[in-house]
Amino acid sequence: EDQVTQSPEALRLQEGESSSLNCSYTVSGLRGLFWYRQDPGKGPEFLFTLYSAGEEKEKERLKATLTKKESFLHITAPKPEDSATYLCAVCGANSKLTFGKGITLSVRP
Amino acid sequence: EAQVTQNPRYLITVTGKKLTVTCSQNMNHEYMSWYRQDPGLGLRQIYYSMNVEVTDKGDVPEGYKVSRKEKRNFPLILESPSPNQTSLYFCASSRNGAGGREEQFFGPGTRLTVL
Repeated sequence: EDQVTQSPEALRLQEGESSSLNCSYTVSGLRGLFWYRQDPGKGPEFLFTLYSAGEEKEKERLKATLTKKESFLHITAPKPEDSATYLCAVCGANSKLTFGKGITLSVRP
Repeated sequence: EAQVTQNPRYLITVTGKKLTVTCSQNMNHEYMSWYRQDPGLGLRQIYYSMNVEVTDKGDVPEGYKVSRKEKRNFPLILESPSPNQTSLYFCASSRNGAGGREEQFFGPGTRLTVL
């Protein structure tokens, strides 16, 4: 059974204080690891897909990296508008998506 | 505008009263899916469809039905709702029938309360 564990559950940062969100996973035959952002009362919004260990992707202040056991979402110099819940999900050999419980990020001005 | 729409957005009902939550996408996507999101449990897949007339169970299908008669629509049916189906429901779609291998586009959510 595929499993995804995200840590910490919640993270509070000061504006400009860089940090990383962790996603640990076990999966049979990784087909892709996904990061989504979810704002309160809204549906998840796609950020990145990573397919193989060593891969990295960047978008504005966000950078996602992947190893064989975990993924990190690095946030550089965050702003209050980066406050949201960040979801990690893996797709395994059965082509099903398994989500973690999410990390709630709060960035104070 | 490319989007996934769900209706209704909010629904309060009573135990046993049949209801349908509609989902529609305008992106000609093959794959569609329903999830429920509960505090402390995250997003869990209910049912999915890889194309018209092709549906399959996800991780938590008990108490739900779906149909896929048209490519753009994927309604979720609760024949006899119970309080443990109180949740936030999301519909999602992706380009082809590869299922979870591609990025999914999510609808805005339907908050259901069963009394």
